[in-house]
Amino acid sequence: QQQVKQSPQSLIVQKGGISIINCAYENTAFDYFPWYQQFPGKGPALLIAIRPDVSEKKEGRFTISFNKSAKQFSLHIMDSQPGDSATYFCAATPETWDSGYALNFGKGTSLLVTP
Amino acid sequence: DTAVSQTPKYLVTQMGNDKSIKCEQNLGHDTMYWYKQDSKKFLKIMFSYNNKELIINETVPNRFSPKSPDKAHLNLHINSLELGDSAVYFCASSQKRAHEQYFGPGTRLTVT
Repeated sequence: QQQVKQSPQSLIVQKGGISIINCAYENTAFDYFPWYQQFPGKGPALLIAIRPDVSEKKEGRFTISFNKSAKQFSLHIMDSQPGDSATYFCAATPETWDSGYALNFGKGTSLLVTP
Repeated sequence: DTAVSQTPKYLVTQMGNDKSIKCEQNLGHDTMYWYKQDSKKFLKIMFSYNNKELIINETVPNRFSPKSPDKAHLNLHINSLELGDSAVYFCASSQKRAHEQYFGPGTRLTVT
């Protein structure tokens, strides 16, 4: 069962535009929400993460918006660059021993930023 | 210095064979994981280990047997390989409760 739903599956944005990827979850035990970036042939790399006690977190051109009541969170990439072209995964996990701290991933969004 | 390393990077083998993938982390983390990424790029947890102790096994067939000889290593042994085992396998590590997981470069397993 997919615990984290991610959309869109693919996204094409012009250079300088804003890329927006959305995720939704059902499990209210989730309390850590990271975004990972994966380039072809590489492992996923942590981009930015948020906990439910804040509604927004910004790091450079990357911003996570978090809506606890709606159980949704999104990644915004401002001033998108061709080098941002990659697959982006949202994830969620509860901070509990019996979860194994394992990440539940969305299905990924393939982002292409055109010159 | 590579934080999380895996060997081999590519593994091509025939159905029915037994193979192993090795993982090492030099970050001093105490939790290690194996994830499977299928052909549609979906990432799914297989195992989670903390201080060499198995925490979770996410309904993985018992043909898959992880082994953690020490905190820095988590190897994956797969018996009687099947076509459906073809995927990219990622090892990851984190400091317990920190959640920031560092992934290795992946091992692409192809079963023919």
